Amino acid sequence: QSALTQPASVSGSPGQSITISCTGTSSDVGGFDYVSWYQHYSDKVPKLIIFDVSNRPSGVSNRFSGSKSGSTASLTISGLQAEDEADYYCSSYTTSSTLVFGGGTKVTVL
Amino acid sequence: EVQLLESGGGLVQPGGSLRLSCAASGFIFRNYAMDWVRQAPGKGLEWVSAISVSGVSTFYANSVKGRFTVSRDNSKNTLYLQMHSLRAEDTAIYYCAKDGVGVTWPDALDPWGQGTMVTVTS
Repeated sequence: QSALTQPASVSGSPGQSITISCTGTSSDVGGFDYVSWYQHYSDKVPKLIIFDVSNRPSGVSNRFSGSKSGSTASLTISGLQAEDEADYYCSSYTTSSTLVFGGGTKVTVL
Repeated sequence: EVQLLESGGGLVQPGGSLRLSCAASGFIFRNYAMDWVRQAPGKGLEWVSAISVSGVSTFYANSVKGRFTVSRDNSKNTLYLQMHSLRAEDTAIYYCAKDGVGVTWPDALDPWGQGTMVTVTS
């Protein structure tokens, strides 16, 4: 149950697009289309923004999109805004019927 | 509105025990799998455990297997996490979360409760 690998930080200017990667193995990300992404502000509760690789829950901005290639999933934030500055975590279902999270990525809006 | 309210956190000595509760409202509790996730101070999210709708099936992270037990009482709309043999590294905010948004479980968690802090220290 090793954590998925995410970059520690990603930054971009307002209006730009950024992409956060989430790398696992064939036992998790590569084996299933059950990758989720969460947005977490330090003083709030984690919020689901993408589930099952590319699905957005109702109410989540379409500036957030998800994809997957092999054992690497990606979250893209388009039209970056100041309010997007937060920590982002990916998670994946595993062959052990467990869930594993990534280490988290801090997004900074320059 | 879906609400999840954790309770039971606190200060405990190494080797001690604690039971967390998560009171659910605003949805049909018995129809959804539920999870516990924790976040140690300054660290990332760590999945802890999940339980099926009936409570028959349970899954655990290796870090807590054999020490923690998840259970639920569908008549009380409440999720529990019984923690034994607590260690300093179990110090964290513990969140309960509703599963079942995705195709399988444990999968996508939404929403999450506000969390309850567990501190293991002598």
